[in-house]
Amino acid sequence: AQSVTQPDIHITVSEGASLELRCNYSYGATPYLFWYVQSPGQGLQLLLKYFSGDTLVQGIKGFEAEFKRSQSSFNLRKPSVHWSDAAEYFCAVAPRGAGNMLTFGGGTRLMVKP
Amino acid sequence: DGGITQSPKYLFRKEGQNVTLSCEQNLNHDAMYWYRQDPGQGLRLIYYSQIVNDFQKGDIAEGYSVSREKKESFPLTVTSAQKNPTAFYLCASINGEPTSSYNEQFFGPGTRLTVL
Repeated sequence: AQSVTQPDIHITVSEGASLELRCNYSYGATPYLFWYVQSPGQGLQLLLKYFSGDTLVQGIKGFEAEFKRSQSSFNLRKPSVHWSDAAEYFCAVAPRGAGNMLTFGGGTRLMVKP
Repeated sequence: DGGITQSPKYLFRKEGQNVTLSCEQNLNHDAMYWYRQDPGQGLRLIYYSQIVNDFQKGDIAEGYSVSREKKESFPLTVTSAQKNPTAFYLCASINGEPTSSYNEQFFGPGTRLTVL
């Protein structure tokens, strides 16, 4: 069965510092890959997605993610974190051709120090 | 403004009682989904509905029931058979054919259910 692992439950970074959130997946074939963000008490918002092609994808709010097939990873990055980025981030996968059936990772809570 | 509304935002119930969570969308979306969110476990799919009067079980449907009598509404009932119902519940919907390769899911703000 497919699974998604986000190894870091909590991460704290200083405002202005760079950020990398890790995501590893276990799947028979390269799935569709997603990153979502959730502000406290709110629903999820799609940051970016990868289906195929260029392995570096750009998303909203200055985020990007890189797909590495050899490592089964899809890490999220941002060069300079803002206080408003404090939230919980979820990596998700879906089978190719069935992109609506999402499997989510456990999430990483990001805290930003002033 | 179009969107997904979930009510109430916070819900308390006594053990052994059934409770119904509301999810309404005015986006004219075809498919709707219910997820359960627990700390450290991400979101898990409870039920989904691709069209009116039809729905399918997700990964953790036991102890839950749904109905889809109207396109815009997809209420979730948490029954007394659900062993550990305290969680954050999220509703989502997608536009377009649910069995197509991909449609972005739009999420509601969620309902936090606490069983006392």
